[in-house]
Amino acid sequence: GDSVTQMEGPVTLSEEAFLTINCTYTATGYPSLFWYVQYPGEGLQLLLKATKADDKGSNKGFEATYRKETTSFHLEKGSVQVSDSAVYFCAHIFTSGTYKYIFGTGTRLKVLA
Amino acid sequence: EAGVAQSPRYKIIEKRQSVAFWCNPISGHATLYWYQQILGQGPKLLIQFQNNGVVDDSQLPKDRFSAERLKGVDSTLKIQPAKLEDSAVYLCASSRNPFEPGELFFGEGSRLTVL
Repeated sequence: GDSVTQMEGPVTLSEEAFLTINCTYTATGYPSLFWYVQYPGEGLQLLLKATKADDKGSNKGFEATYRKETTSFHLEKGSVQVSDSAVYFCAHIFTSGTYKYIFGTGTRLKVLA
Repeated sequence: EAGVAQSPRYKIIEKRQSVAFWCNPISGHATLYWYQQILGQGPKLLIQFQNNGVVDDSQLPKDRFSAERLKGVDSTLKIQPAKLEDSAVYLCASSRNPFEPGELFFGEGSRLTVL
């Protein structure tokens, strides 16, 4: 069945370090892919998305490219800040009548000053 | 626009007691979702409403969980009787249209601890 696998955390980085959080998916067809972020004490919010192969989603310095050949959607940022400390969730959407989301387990990022 | 509102934020109960969570989605959003997020796991869909009708409740433990969305606006999720394994954050989310691959808007969640 459909699933999302993302790297386990926590990930601890120093400020200005490069970030990669891996995400792979299994799905029937070509789903839309998403990254959601959950800051401390807040609900999940959409960070970026890509709706078709080779699309690159980007927001707040984060990027992810929809790789159909490797079924991946890795999240990257060139220089992280303390304010990026949060939990990041990879997700994809599939149709079964209506659109439904499948979320990964989340990766906690901690950025140290 | 106002976001998704949930209450209470925190609830502690003993096993076999009952609890209810309330959600008010973003105005005009036809679809409402309840997710269960156990510590260390991703959100798992419990039930999905389209207006006031149930679209998907295949993962809702119906022997103890119930949910309703009267009048197609706000919604209540109830657990009765609660078990220890129900300790989790219950997230409510809404979206404009379930037939388009759009964004989900989440509330801050209701954290349940069952002792």
